[in-house]
Amino acid sequence: GAVVSQHPSRVICKSGTSVKIECRSLDFQATTMFWYRQFPKQSLMLMATSNEGSKATYEQGVEKDKFLINHASLTLSTLTVTSAHPEDSSFYICSARGESGRMVYGYTFGSGTRLTVV
Amino acid sequence: DQQVKQNSPSLSVQEGRISILNCDYTNSMFDYFLWYKKYPAEGPTFLISISSIKDKNEDGRFTVFLNKSAKHLSLHIVPSQPGDSAVYFCAASNQAGTALIFGKGTTLSVSS
Repeated sequence: GAVVSQHPSRVICKSGTSVKIECRSLDFQATTMFWYRQFPKQSLMLMATSNEGSKATYEQGVEKDKFLINHASLTLSTLTVTSAHPEDSSFYICSARGESGRMVYGYTFGSGTRLTVV
Repeated sequence: DQQVKQNSPSLSVQEGRISILNCDYTNSMFDYFLWYKKYPAEGPTFLISISSIKDKNEDGRFTVFLNKSAKHLSLHIVPSQPGDSAVYFCAASNQAGTALIFGKGTTLSVSS
């Protein structure tokens, strides 16, 4: 089955630094990647949608200059939280849609990244 | 405005009984619905889905019912097991492959 590998699973960084989160599709080509954020006991909130080779589309209220998304290849998408602040502490999850041969893969989720900004 | 609503934040059920989790949606463009199980600090685990051309889909202990006129779906788990204890999210999209929109989740506790 389809697998999305997300790293790191947990990261602690100092306020003002940048953090990169990677999501790799291991056995299919991820033509579309969705990035979500989940605050404690809240829903998964869509941050942005990226298609391979195109600029990401951000949801209202999400700062594109703060949350940089790169989807330069069909197997890798990255989310960089720039100049992180404590309020950016959250659980970030990616979800990929794509295909491999004749198989179409729907929404395959990564395992998530717990970001803590101190 | 929430497009997918799970109005019950929690549900407690005894082992062996039926668990019924409910979900309502407002966007009539949604035509594909999914249920996920999630533990803290982990990604969601897919359970079952249903397309709007159906009103029921069954997979083992899990059955999803869709009432399009009421814009309502429900997940039935029977029999419930302690290992089912988790947060359950309802999600929706359209078949065009847009992003999933999630409800706020329902925490299910199954006691033995």
